Amino acid sequence: EPEVTQTPSHQVTQMGQEVILRCVPISNHLYFYWYRQILGQKVEFLVSFYNNEISEKSEIFDDQFSVERPDGSNFTLKIRSTKLEDSAMYFCASSETEQYFGPGTRLTVT
Amino acid sequence: GNSVTQMEGPVTLSEEAFLTINCTYTATGYPSLFWYVQYPGEGLQLLLKATKADDKGSNKGFEATYRKETTSFHLEKGSVQVSDSAVYFCALSGISGNTPLVFGKGTRLSVIA
Repeated sequence: EPEVTQTPSHQVTQMGQEVILRCVPISNHLYFYWYRQILGQKVEFLVSFYNNEISEKSEIFDDQFSVERPDGSNFTLKIRSTKLEDSAMYFCASSETEQYFGPGTRLTVT
Repeated sequence: GNSVTQMEGPVTLSEEAFLTINCTYTATGYPSLFWYVQYPGEGLQLLLKATKADDKGSNKGFEATYRKETTSFHLEKGSVQVSDSAVYFCALSGISGNTPLVFGKGTRLSVIA
């Protein structure tokens, strides 16, 4: 069964550093998403991406965040200058008609 | 804006007990409704969905019915197993499944033998 994959599974970085989280969506899906889940809190939408551009973003997705589909398979989330409060589980999802989630990347900012 | 309210957890049940996790929503228009499950150390898995009023979603013995009159989508299972221990999230999206999901806070279920 096709699945969404994410790398790395765990990323530790120092405050102020840039991180790139990677996702490989399901191959025939056209819509891509990033969500995050701060420990113990609800899953929150960050951004959606369709046809090589952002289709919708939340207020969380400020100028320090960016997304890219650098090739035909990968979908990346970049955080330019990480803050302590960026520590969370980041989930990628893709959809054709319903969203399928990857296993997540746990980002720890120290 | 759209929102989802779930019953607070954690919920602890004995094996074979009946499960209900309440979920109500606020939304404009006619959203699609979902239950996702998160097993320990894993990502979110779609458990079931319903896309219009009175639809019943079902999977792995779990059921939920889209009730427009009460704006609810309660999750039920007649007989839980230890392997059902997980966090359950109610969520909604726009009419199209390709709009962002709005999640509830999640309800942690622990089933003991």
